[in-house]
Amino acid sequence: AQTVTQSQPEMSVQEAETVTLSCTYDTSENNYYLFWYKQPPSRQMILVIRQEAYKQQNATENRFSVNFQKAAKSFSLKISDSQLGDTAMYFCAFMSAGGYQKVTFGTGTKLQVIP
Amino acid sequence: DAGVTQSPTHLIKTRGQQVTLRCSPISGHKSVSWYQQVLGQGPQFIFQYYEKEERGRGNFPDRFSARQFPNYSSELNVNALLLGDSALYLCASSFGPGQGSSSYEQYFGPGTRLTVT
Repeated sequence: AQTVTQSQPEMSVQEAETVTLSCTYDTSENNYYLFWYKQPPSRQMILVIRQEAYKQQNATENRFSVNFQKAAKSFSLKISDSQLGDTAMYFCAFMSAGGYQKVTFGTGTKLQVIP
Repeated sequence: DAGVTQSPTHLIKTRGQQVTLRCSPISGHKSVSWYQQVLGQGPQFIFQYYEKEERGRGNFPDRFSARQFPNYSSELNVNALLLGDSALYLCASSFGPGQGSSSYEQYFGPGTRLTVT
């Protein structure tokens, strides 16, 4: 079974600064997908960024980028130029490329952006 | 385009009762998955339905059941409610397996907050 670990329950960052959220996962599979989801206090889960395991290039979406280290099973999220609207719970998630589309989530990191 | 919609938004039930939650996927999406999110935790996978068939089931008791309709909307049923079933129930839709390069991306609805008293 796959597991996803987020070791930072809470983090804070000053507005306009950069912050990195950590995530590690455990799997015996070679083909899979990794995601970062954002859940603001309004509770709607929003897909922030995704990475296919077969791609060596790190994914980037505007101010959000990842550092994907397949051998180390590490998948961190970097948020640049943090904005107040980035305040939310961030969940790292894993999905196998085979079988059914079950997403396994970590326990989340609560990010607070300070004005 | 409309996103994933869920109804109702909030629900209060008594122990032992039954509840039905509803989900409408994004237009064009054929797969619907259900997740339970207990306060302070990440979502836990309950079911995936694709083309009206159950494709995956998480570690939940048989009190939990679901179905998918010809229009790809879905219902989640929970029987004999327990206090521990109190949670946010999330529905997610995707194109489904083998439907293109982004077929695996799941998009979530706003959730239904279920409180069992």
